[in-house]
Amino acid sequence: TQLLEQSPQFLSIQEGENLTVYCNSSSVFSSLQWYRQEPGEGPVLLVTVVTGGEVKKLKRLTFQFGDARKDSSLHITAAQPGDTGLYLCAGASKTSGSRLTFGEGTQLTVNP
Amino acid sequence: DAGVTQSPTHLIKTRGQHVTLRCSPISGHKSVSWYQQVLGQGPQFIFQYYEKEERGRGNFPDRFSARQFPNYSSELNVNALLLGDSALYLCASSGGQGNEKLFFGSGTQLSVL
Repeated sequence: TQLLEQSPQFLSIQEGENLTVYCNSSSVFSSLQWYRQEPGEGPVLLVTVVTGGEVKKLKRLTFQFGDARKDSSLHITAAQPGDTGLYLCAGASKTSGSRLTFGEGTQLTVNP
Repeated sequence: DAGVTQSPTHLIKTRGQHVTLRCSPISGHKSVSWYQQVLGQGPQFIFQYYEKEERGRGNFPDRFSARQFPNYSSELNVNALLLGDSALYLCASSGGQGNEKLFFGSGTQLSVL
């Protein structure tokens, strides 16, 4: 069974601070996705990383896929209150199709 | 264009009852997946359907069933509801069977009393 562990589970910071969320597994994934979910809504895809060692940037968000494709990180620079939400990582294998294995999520609160 | 639509948005049932949740995928998408998200946890995969056929099933009991219709909409059925079935049920659509981008609906919040 593939499992993804996210840390920290909860994070409360002040506006302007930097933060990093981690997603780790003992399994290899063909791709890893990061989602952001707000209350009462479904997850919204932020990025997909496919290649080991890959780094992708989305404005103030930087995503990295581990060399062995077992772990990933999300770094937010100068966090803003609008970044508040539940951040989820999800892994896919080549044979899993649309079956994603999600981590338990990191609830981020950015205080003004 | 409309995104993934789910109905109802909220539902309250009692133990032992049956529930049917509905999902309409994005126009042109042929694959629908269902996920269960318990409060404080990440979504858990329940089913995937593609072209009206089941393509994957997660670790859920037989009380959970689903189907996909010719117009690619889908229903998730849960029989003999338990308190532990209380969760947000998410539907996601994608174009096909590969690792394409998933588009999630806003979900149906099911409360079992």
